Amino acid sequence: DVKVTQSSRYLVKRTGEKVFLECVQDMDHENMFWYRQDPGLGLRLIYFSYDVKMKEKGDIPEGYSVSREKKERFSLILESASTNQTSMYLCASSQAGTSGYEQYFGPGTRLTVT
Amino acid sequence: LAKTTQPISMDSYEGQEVNITCSHNNIATNDYITWYQQFPSQGPRFIIQGYKTKVTNEVASLFIPADRKSSTLSLPRVSLSDTAVYYCLVGDIRGTDKLIFGTGTRLQVFP
Repeated sequence: DVKVTQSSRYLVKRTGEKVFLECVQDMDHENMFWYRQDPGLGLRLIYFSYDVKMKEKGDIPEGYSVSREKKERFSLILESASTNQTSMYLCASSQAGTSGYEQYFGPGTRLTVT
Repeated sequence: LAKTTQPISMDSYEGQEVNITCSHNNIATNDYITWYQQFPSQGPRFIIQGYKTKVTNEVASLFIPADRKSSTLSLPRVSLSDTAVYYCLVGDIRGTDKLIFGTGTRLQVFP
């Protein structure tokens, strides 16, 4: 079974703090993704990565950065957390090619910024 | 990017067949159609994927007409455990396109 794990289920941070969300997958997948999910807005793609050290912006990259130094790990960084970044953050991974449409998601991290 | 339109919500009863239609008028030649299911407090789960005609797996069927401007996810004989949000996605993950989840269809199954 593919396993995607996220470092925390719940996180509370203060405005202005630097926040790191970690994601690890154990299936040697090439692709990794970070989404945020908000009520009424569905899932929105923040960043994705097709390979180590490769990253591409999604639909809402502002205020976020990412790091992929190893194939199995994809980190989302909030440089200076703001209250409008309070959300559920979901990490996913998938194989390359047409198999990449099947993304495997982690359990999510519910981040609250106060 | 191909935009998708789905009903916001649907209701059904146990044992019925449920069909959720997704509209994607500007689908591109290389785009695939993918459906996901999401339960509360969980990440989405892949259900089925297709390019044209009909695809069937152990969970659902996906019907895609020749013009590919829409698709229909068919869930046979739903149960209470099928209550979830269903997302239709259109895109070509191999290119610069991305999979767009949208807001999905909330299916409520009643006993």
